[in-house]
Amino acid sequence: NAGVTQTPKFQVLKTGQSMTLQCAQDMNHEYMSWYRQDPGMGLRLIHYSVGAGITDQGEVPNGYNVSRSTTEDFPLRLLSAAPSQTSVYFCASTVIGGRQETQYFGPGTRLLVL
Amino acid sequence: QQQVKQSPQSLIVQKGGISIINCAYENTAFDYFPWYQQFPGKGPALLIAIRPDVSEKKEGRFTISFNKSAKQFSLHIMDSQPGDSATYFCAASSRTGGSYIPTFGRGTSLIVHP
Repeated sequence: NAGVTQTPKFQVLKTGQSMTLQCAQDMNHEYMSWYRQDPGMGLRLIHYSVGAGITDQGEVPNGYNVSRSTTEDFPLRLLSAAPSQTSVYFCASTVIGGRQETQYFGPGTRLLVL
Repeated sequence: QQQVKQSPQSLIVQKGGISIINCAYENTAFDYFPWYQQFPGKGPALLIAIRPDVSEKKEGRFTISFNKSAKQFSLHIMDSQPGDSATYFCAASSRTGGSYIPTFGRGTSLIVHP
């Protein structure tokens, strides 16, 4: 059971380039989400999904696209990278059980846009 | 507008001391209040959580105190240890709408000196 995996771990892009951040989970969780973490800003929600085929925008969705074709995978696409998208990106999946809701985070992808 | 306000931004305590981190929320629909712990280079991990039908929850050295009328909750770390040095995030979520996606505070960087 690998939990939540993210690739790549680190990426350097030039302004205007596009790329896809991969996220996969093997826990059969319906809920998945993408966050970006910037110093002093905490974790800000980019997009989330409540199940295969269903996605919705979070707090900071501009410049990002997502899709959810399977329960396991939730890729995040940067359409045209900008320096403002330099950040650490975390994918998470959520399990709902009784009185507890637990988000399992991946190890993160560090993105530098030049 | 920040839905979850966290303070302080940083905290330094001596080994054996008590660390206290405070959070306040606006949305009365929030019904689940977790705390996440993040070590450098890692993704956040659930530490402890509380629902508003109880005023306190304790797990080992970690305690959440919850004040529903004031819309505030706090994390107390008793007998703080150098291994507790990490960034702590409070969060809040609501089952209304079925998304279960939490809103995070901006984080508190805790340093425990030996």
